[in-house]
Amino acid sequence: NAGVMQNPRHLVRRRGQEARLRCSPMKGHSHVYWYRQLPEEGLKFMVYLQKENIIDESGMPKERFSAEFPKEGPSILRIQQVVRGDSAAYFCASSGQLPSTDTQYFGPGTRLTVL
Amino acid sequence: AQSVTQLDSQVPVFEEAPVELRCNYSSSVSVYLFWYVQYPNQGLQLLLKYLSGSTLVKGINGFEAEFNKSQTSFHLRKPSVHISDTAEYFCAVTETGANNLFFGTGTRLTVIP
Repeated sequence: NAGVMQNPRHLVRRRGQEARLRCSPMKGHSHVYWYRQLPEEGLKFMVYLQKENIIDESGMPKERFSAEFPKEGPSILRIQQVVRGDSAAYFCASSGQLPSTDTQYFGPGTRLTVL
Repeated sequence: AQSVTQLDSQVPVFEEAPVELRCNYSSSVSVYLFWYVQYPNQGLQLLLKYLSGSTLVKGINGFEAEFNKSQTSFHLRKPSVHISDTAEYFCAVTETGANNLFFGTGTRLTVIP
């Protein structure tokens, strides 16, 4: 009974490169969330997706960041032209039902380092 | 607007001693409350949650929390901690119909042998 899977676990990029983070939700879950954790801070919501739909992207930076959850395959968080300030841990979570009442299960995170 | 305050950024405690990690929230509507634990270099694991009903909620690993609406608090407690409880603890809140969790900044619990 696999949990939420994220890869890669660690990602190093140079400034200006692209970063792609992948998330496979728990089996049977159709709701995916992305959060960012900056050093010494709590998690901050970025985006909430269901299959093929972005439901809420109120926490996403307006530029360079995008997310998708295609009909087949994992959810992808894409960061274009990374900058040092993008260095953080990015966590994906999934739930089976309504986000406000159903438990969100978290993956182990992807730690992005921008050189 | 929602917010979560965890006043204690670090809490050292001796093994087998009791511990309380404080969490206060602000919201203008009904809320659901959660405590998550994060071990080093791992993701978050749910300890317990309050949705409705009894204000005293029991979770995994011997933890419990009490929802106090009048004081807008949801403090986490354990009567006797173990070395293995050393971790970061996050309080989170969401409102009815919301799409995401709001997290506090975390409390680092260090259990001293």
